[in-house]
Amino acid sequence: SQTIHQWPATLVQPVGSPLSLECTVEGTSNPNLYWYRQAAGRGLQLLFYSVGIGQISSEVPQNLSASRPQDRQFILSSKKLLLSDSGFYLCAWSPSPGLASTDTQYFGPGTRLTVL
Amino acid sequence: GNSVTQMEGPVTLSEEAFLTINCTYTATGYPSLFWYVQYPGEGLQLLLKATKADDKGSNKGFEATYRKETTSFHLEKGSVQVSDSAVYFCALSDAGTQGGSEKLVFGKGTKLTVNP
Repeated sequence: SQTIHQWPATLVQPVGSPLSLECTVEGTSNPNLYWYRQAAGRGLQLLFYSVGIGQISSEVPQNLSASRPQDRQFILSSKKLLLSDSGFYLCAWSPSPGLASTDTQYFGPGTRLTVL
Repeated sequence: GNSVTQMEGPVTLSEEAFLTINCTYTATGYPSLFWYVQYPGEGLQLLLKATKADDKGSNKGFEATYRKETTSFHLEKGSVQVSDSAVYFCALSDAGTQGGSEKLVFGKGTKLTVNP
């Protein structure tokens, strides 16, 4: 069966510091991968998605970036955090094209980021 | 573009009450429709889905029917429990323009609290 991991689970960082959040998926190959942010009291905002190694699409211009160095690894980064970057960051995966139910996404447990 | 509108909470019910959370959508084509549930401090879990008109998704006593004529996908449960307290998100699939990635468009979420 497939599992998705995120770490760290919680993170407190000062403004201006760098960020690296990691997401890995097990039990599947060539998944589509997604990063979302959920700000307090708000819905989910899609930040990035990737259909393959090195292929990143950005949905919202901001000071965050994403990378996919390996097939099942997705990293969210920032060089300098802003207060507005605080939120709950969720990674998700969906089956690769050619398999059934490619439209269903499966979410990780999330990372709670607080920028002070 | 595609969008999802769901009733804004919070919704507070007593145990064994009937639950309805309204969701309507705007979409081109024939998207799949989803309900996700987020328990406190956790990521999102797929609750149920429907892929075509008149399909009924069901899981854990929850049901939702894909109504194309009213562009709705209302979530219902006949008798809620305290353990159903969570945030519920309605979503639709939004076929991506690049390489087969299917993005999800989410509603803002509805917080449900069930009191004993």
